[in-house]
Amino acid sequence: GAVVSQHPSWVICKSGTSVKIECRSLDFQATTMFWYRQFPKQSLMLMATSNEGSKATYEQGVEKDKFLINHASLTLSTLTVTSAHPEDSSFYICSAALPGLKSGNTIYFGEGSWLTVV
Amino acid sequence: DAKTTQPPSMDCAEGRAANLPCNHSTISGNEYVYWYRQIHSQGPQYIIHGLKNNETNEMASLIITEDRKSSTLILPHATLRDTAVYYCIVRVANTGNQFYFGTGTSLTVIP
Repeated sequence: GAVVSQHPSWVICKSGTSVKIECRSLDFQATTMFWYRQFPKQSLMLMATSNEGSKATYEQGVEKDKFLINHASLTLSTLTVTSAHPEDSSFYICSAALPGLKSGNTIYFGEGSWLTVV
Repeated sequence: DAKTTQPPSMDCAEGRAANLPCNHSTISGNEYVYWYRQIHSQGPQYIIHGLKNNETNEMASLIITEDRKSSTLILPHATLRDTAVYYCIVRVANTGNQFYFGTGTSLTVIP
């Protein structure tokens, strides 16, 4: 299947600092990528839809100024958690849709990035 | 919001078929049914998808009822590595359309 890669897999940062997570589609171009957050023993919660060349669309309740999303190219989207606090500690996962009706525009997910804010 | 209902948990004996049900009674005519699974601390893994016909691939089979209001994912010979949370999602097949996850089914394969 299509490959979506995230980096870093693990990151620990100090409270008040910012951290950037990268999401790349390795073998296809993705005009749209999606960012999710998952707390322990919970399901994935969609945070925002990242659109190449335009502003991201955020889900209700997600602070756009805190979770900055940049989709500068067809293969790269970044999520920056600004002024991180311990409650932002979570598993962050990105995904991208493989274009084409044959594939059902299936979404493929990255490996996820664990963020721990201390 | 998720448009699917799944049992919270299921057990299956190793080597036997695992049949995971999903109800999607409000599915629209142009919405596909997708199945993913998530093994602990990993990103979700794509399994299979379908519109109205039954589908089979190397991982699983997807059986969709004629009225499309429910479906069943079948893992023909479950192994311990199939222990995971399985998610059933309905979505219009458009690259810009979001996936919303429900609570899924936690499948435990028992030796």
